Amino acid sequence: DVVLTQTPVAQPVTLGDQASISCRSSQSLVHSNGNTYLEWYLQKPGQSPQLLIYKVSNRFSGVPDRFIGSGSGSDFTLKISRVEPEDLGVYYCFQATHDPWTFGGGTKLELK
Amino acid sequence: EVQLVETGGGLVQPGRSLKLSCVASGFTFNNYWMSWTRQAPGKGLEWVASITNSGGSTYYPDSVKGRFTISRDNAQNTLYLQMNSLRSEDTATYYCTRATMGITTGDYWGQGVMVTVSS
Repeated sequence: DVVLTQTPVAQPVTLGDQASISCRSSQSLVHSNGNTYLEWYLQKPGQSPQLLIYKVSNRFSGVPDRFIGSGSGSDFTLKISRVEPEDLGVYYCFQATHDPWTFGGGTKLELK
Repeated sequence: EVQLVETGGGLVQPGRSLKLSCVASGFTFNNYWMSWTRQAPGKGLEWVASITNSGGSTYYPDSVKGRFTISRDNAQNTLYLQMNSLRSEDTATYYCTRATMGITTGDYWGQGVMVTVSS
């Protein structure tokens, strides 16, 4: 199975700062069709997860442009510029290139 | 507005069965793949099952293969998860999710339903 390793496990931030989360895969996430099915989700406290980014760098409908996904192959990053209070919670990366689909362990974005 | 509403959770003894339902609204159900994802208390997310829009193909990780069955009734806009031979490690909140295949795998999520497996 593909293992997604997220770092850091916790990211203390000050509101207005930039935050960066890494997601490294145990193997390339490039599908045989040329697409890379790497997604990012945010789970706010007490809520269901919500999709932020799909196929590495595409923002889902309604997601602010301060969320930026990047990367290729097996190394991916989610950057959040100018962190706002509603951005706090646990971020998960997820891959749907290889069966079984797998999630990273999560990164908690919290206030310093 | 897309809505996914799960029901059917509860307390069940190890080895017994439970069936979850997810009623979908706000979109054309039979155009979308659907999935179940779970989250054990205080833990991360785990993909559990997926089904094609027609229901003709299903997919599972090894952790539930042979015990869980995903199905759908497109006439009733309803997704199901039949869970047999339940174990304590199946204790989790189960989320119903919509996928736009080839693009996203979880663009909308339900509120989740809790399943507790305990004697």
